[in-house]
Amino acid sequence: DIRMTQSPASLSASLGETVNIECLASEDIYSDLAWYQQKPGKSPQLLIYNANSLQNGVPSRFSGSGSGTQYSLKINSLQSEDVATYFCQQYNNYPWTFGGGTKLELK
Amino acid sequence: EVQLQQSGAELVKPGASVKLSCKTSGYTFSNYYMSWLKQMPGQNIEWIGNIYGGNGGTGYNQKFKGKATLTVDKSSSTAYMDLSSLTSEDSAVYFCARLGHYSLFDYWGQGVMVTVSS
Repeated sequence: DIRMTQSPASLSASLGETVNIECLASEDIYSDLAWYQQKPGKSPQLLIYNANSLQNGVPSRFSGSGSGTQYSLKINSLQSEDVATYFCQQYNNYPWTFGGGTKLELK
Repeated sequence: EVQLQQSGAELVKPGASVKLSCKTSGYTFSNYYMSWLKQMPGQNIEWIGNIYGGNGGTGYNQKFKGKATLTVDKSSSTAYMDLSSLTSEDSAVYFCARLGHYSLFDYWGQGVMVTVSS
């Protein structure tokens, strides 16, 4: 199975700040990488797919980048509604696997 | 509007089985795969398997073979997951999620908590 390692596990940032979350795959996943946002008590929501494509309806302050085994999610100008846990997920190989999550809180 | 409505929370005894449902609306059920996923408290998400709404064809994560059985009822646009021989390790929130373009989970149910306890 492909192991997805996210960092940091938790993050505290101020409103208006820029936040970066990293995701490292144990092997090349050829940009078959998605990012999901999960707010407390809710189901995950798709933010980014194919490493850098924004899902319809997702604010443009969210962006994704990366290739090979290294990927990142960037949130510009952090808003209060961005408080959530963020997961990366690879869909290049079965079984599809998720990172352990990054919990984002407000400072 | 695409909607996935899951059945309510379950409290089941060790060794028992449980059947979870995911009733859909707002799209053509038979044209899409449905996935099921597991999230233990405070932990990451695991993909259990997929089932095609058109013909019931399935694909499973090897880890969940023998534990989970996926079925569909096209007439009611509902997907089901049977979990068998339950243990405390099966206590978790289970989600159904539609598999959209690029094999992405584009719509999710609200999740259902399964608690295994005597």
